[in-house]
Amino acid sequence: DAGITQSPRYKITETGRQVTLMCHQTWSHSYMFWYRQDLGHGLRLIYYSAAADITDKGEVPDGYVVSRSKTENFPLTLESATRSQTSVYFCASSGTGEQFFGPGTRLTVL
Amino acid sequence: AQKVTQAQTEISVVEKEDVTLDCVYETRDTTYYLFWYKQPPSGELVFLIRRNSFDEQNEISGRYSWNFQKSTSSFNFTITASQVVDSAVYFCALSGVMNTGFQKLVFGTGTRLLVSP
Repeated sequence: DAGITQSPRYKITETGRQVTLMCHQTWSHSYMFWYRQDLGHGLRLIYYSAAADITDKGEVPDGYVVSRSKTENFPLTLESATRSQTSVYFCASSGTGEQFFGPGTRLTVL
Repeated sequence: AQKVTQAQTEISVVEKEDVTLDCVYETRDTTYYLFWYKQPPSGELVFLIRRNSFDEQNEISGRYSWNFQKSTSSFNFTITASQVVDSAVYFCALSGVMNTGFQKLVFGTGTRLLVSP
């Protein structure tokens, strides 16, 4: 089906572990984004990508790594998870218009 | 720097009441876009509207209407005759426009709307 998907939808991990959140879109949108949603902060941009192999930091990039080897995929890696990274993570994509969001991944770091 | 303020943290209304969600923004850009997104209890983010800075016409879509006023830097959202299904968190967002067409969104903290029967 066309759209934007995220996996896993729920993840529980422990402090210090590496975690990768996957994002896949079928629209061939150039731009992709990762946000985290926390109470009282709304959505904050972690990283974004303008095209394959082009990525840049957003507002809260520390502790995260991204890559984009293919246009349709934009994985987000927490290299050594911390409790402060417990959050809901949203991936989004856009052409030159509005951003369309994936269903989100709820990550809990114990 | 760009900033979006949604001063109303939570609003409770009874079904069929009209309700207005406020959004005030700050930007130094002359060209920018304003957005509203809805996040129902299921958690997904649903795009509602995009408005560019040169178009101050109010927009109406069914029970939804938006009032954009550059003079007060506001982009308010009104739901007429609210329904229980309108219960959600609503986010206002702002973006500038880079020459590549890319838009980086800055979100407000959201307003939670509770509509009771």
